[in-house]
Amino acid sequence: DTEVTQTPKHLVMGMTNKKSLKCEQHMGHRAMYWYKQKAKKPPELMFVYSYEKLSINESVPSRFSPECPNSSLLNLHLHALQPEDSALYLCASSQDVRNTEAFFGQGTRLTVV
Amino acid sequence: LAKTTQPISMDSYEGQEVNITCSHNNIATNDYITWYQQFPSQGPRFIIQGYKTKVTNEVASLFIPADRKSSTLSLPRVSLSDTAVYYCLVGDIAGSSNTGKLIFGQGTTLQVKP
Repeated sequence: DTEVTQTPKHLVMGMTNKKSLKCEQHMGHRAMYWYKQKAKKPPELMFVYSYEKLSINESVPSRFSPECPNSSLLNLHLHALQPEDSALYLCASSQDVRNTEAFFGQGTRLTVV
Repeated sequence: LAKTTQPISMDSYEGQEVNITCSHNNIATNDYITWYQQFPSQGPRFIIQGYKTKVTNEVASLFIPADRKSSTLSLPRVSLSDTAVYYCLVGDIAGSSNTGKLIFGQGTTLQVKP
């Protein structure tokens, strides 16, 4: 199983809503990543988890809150988002942070209204 | 972190070999070079990675000169389904504070025509 599964595939939320994006992998990978991608732009790194601990936060606004409950799961909690936060949110995993071969999920298409 | 520079776009025809070059002038000793492919509305997919000289797998070859300041992804005999964005990344594997920072550059949009 070389899949990274993200749910939901699509999400529409209001600016006062609280929602969560979920990511799951069963490859035994110990590094997990969140990226944000706007249309026709490259993915932008947001967070990196290594062995379930946050190791990199790329100065992401606090309205995005990551969580790694166990080695297979990664969540991104969303609160008080702005319309400009609408994007494709990608989750990825790799064997560990020293391994540059990452497996990406299909993403969650988020629209903030 | 080493910044990467690639051509914004390239055109090719089916059956041709395509070479996409990436410049990474300030690559560090502990950096690996990795290439990803991305189709619209999908996550990127790993293609190949290398440290120096030449690496080949079932889909591509990666050529890295001795000074490692650039790399070339070679796609043999492309088809229409190879139309995608190709990203070159330079990643630190040393265990420094930058380890795990897989930073995507602007990428190269390859258009394969019939």
